[in-house]
Amino acid sequence: DAKTTQPNSMESNEEEPVHLPCNHSTISGTDYIHWYRQLPSQGPEYVIHGLTSNVNNRMASLAIAEDRKSSTLILHRATLRDAAVYYCILSAPYGSARQLTFGSGTQLTVLP
Amino acid sequence: DAGVIQSPRHEVTEMGQEVTLRCKPISGHNSLFWYRQTMMRGLELLIYFNNNVPIDDSGMPEDRFSAKMPNASFSTLKIQPSEPRDSAVYFCASSISGGPEAFFGQGTRLTVV
Repeated sequence: DAKTTQPNSMESNEEEPVHLPCNHSTISGTDYIHWYRQLPSQGPEYVIHGLTSNVNNRMASLAIAEDRKSSTLILHRATLRDAAVYYCILSAPYGSARQLTFGSGTQLTVLP
Repeated sequence: DAGVIQSPRHEVTEMGQEVTLRCKPISGHNSLFWYRQTMMRGLELLIYFNNNVPIDDSGMPEDRFSAKMPNASFSTLKIQPSEPRDSAVYFCASSISGGPEAFFGQGTRLTVV
């Protein structure tokens, strides 16, 4: 299975943008990139996913490198409520939630 | 919609006892997943159902674990007999088949003493 590499932890100041990196150098052509987050004492929550093009939704933006070997989740304006563990996951086939393999993720701390 | 509903939220049981965890997926979702989360191993997929049929149970740790989905609105994960190393948070999630978004429940925190 293709794997992802994320920093263990990151800090951000409230109301500033946050860029969470993810490396996936062995990604295959059919792997989608998913991001989930897990707030304290809650189940994981879907954030965004994409294949090749950059994606935007109400929660975040996903920037995918041209060679697809890395991606960045962008929170445009961090709030205290965004403090969570963020997971970058590759899934196949065709971007379904069927085979989500969670790694250790990035613990995001948002400072007031 | 109330989301994925799991019960109980907390369960404390003695080693050797049978434990049953319950899950009600979101109406209209036909894929259901059971995950387990521990500090040591993180989130692990235990089993995946599609249209009430188990598709992949390769993550089920051993024969003491069993999961059923008798209908589209209910699933159980049973551990018999339970052991202290089964202590973990168990999550149920559901999605539209082939869809990218899995919706997770609040989890059941199981403690086996």
